[in-house]
Amino acid sequence: DGGITQSPKYLFRKEGQNVTLSCEQNLNHDAMYWYRQDPGQGLRLIYYSQIVNDFQKGDIAEGYSVSREKKESFPLTVTSAQKNPTAFYLCASSIWTEAFFGQGTRLTVV
Amino acid sequence: QQQVKQSPQSLIVQKGGISIINCAYENTAFDYFPWYQQFPGKGPALLIAIRPDVSEKKEGRFTISFNKSAKQFSLHIMDSQPGDSATYFCAASMTPGSNYKLTFGKGTLLTVNP
Repeated sequence: DGGITQSPKYLFRKEGQNVTLSCEQNLNHDAMYWYRQDPGQGLRLIYYSQIVNDFQKGDIAEGYSVSREKKESFPLTVTSAQKNPTAFYLCASSIWTEAFFGQGTRLTVV
Repeated sequence: QQQVKQSPQSLIVQKGGISIINCAYENTAFDYFPWYQQFPGKGPALLIAIRPDVSEKKEGRFTISFNKSAKQFSLHIMDSQPGDSATYFCAASMTPGSNYKLTFGKGTLLTVNP
């Protein structure tokens, strides 16, 4: 089945650690995105990528990093510089105007 | 700067009633306005979308009404059902030129009571 796979579904991080969230798509979409979702805040764009080896900062990129070495993959690293990383993270890909979302990763700092 | 404002934040409707969620945007360059539906613990999924060249679009029980002069658009859910209980997000984007990057409203939690 075509779609977007995010892993893991739940992730726990200790203070000061970097963690990487995985996002893989087999939809052959060029564009991929990372959003952060907090209660009452909607979806805020962290990073997006239009093509392999190219990506741009979104509205809240501080404390995050990404890579796009393959068309199918767009991993997100939450670094220790991110002061409040506990949130629900959503990866998406798009062709033209419709965005398709993964099932999300819930990150909790312990 | 919030470019898409969504209201209400939460909404409770009785089964069979009409649910109405409103959004307003600021950027007149936006030309694509989708609504996404999200169930708890899941990613959002596209529900219905509209472009400014039409004032209304209907798909089953879901209707988008669009007012270009007022820079507003709304989602109407007719004959609301308990299975419609979810969070709804409006969004907007410019096409082409920004790689279809969506700007989302803050969401509306809809509860449909049986």
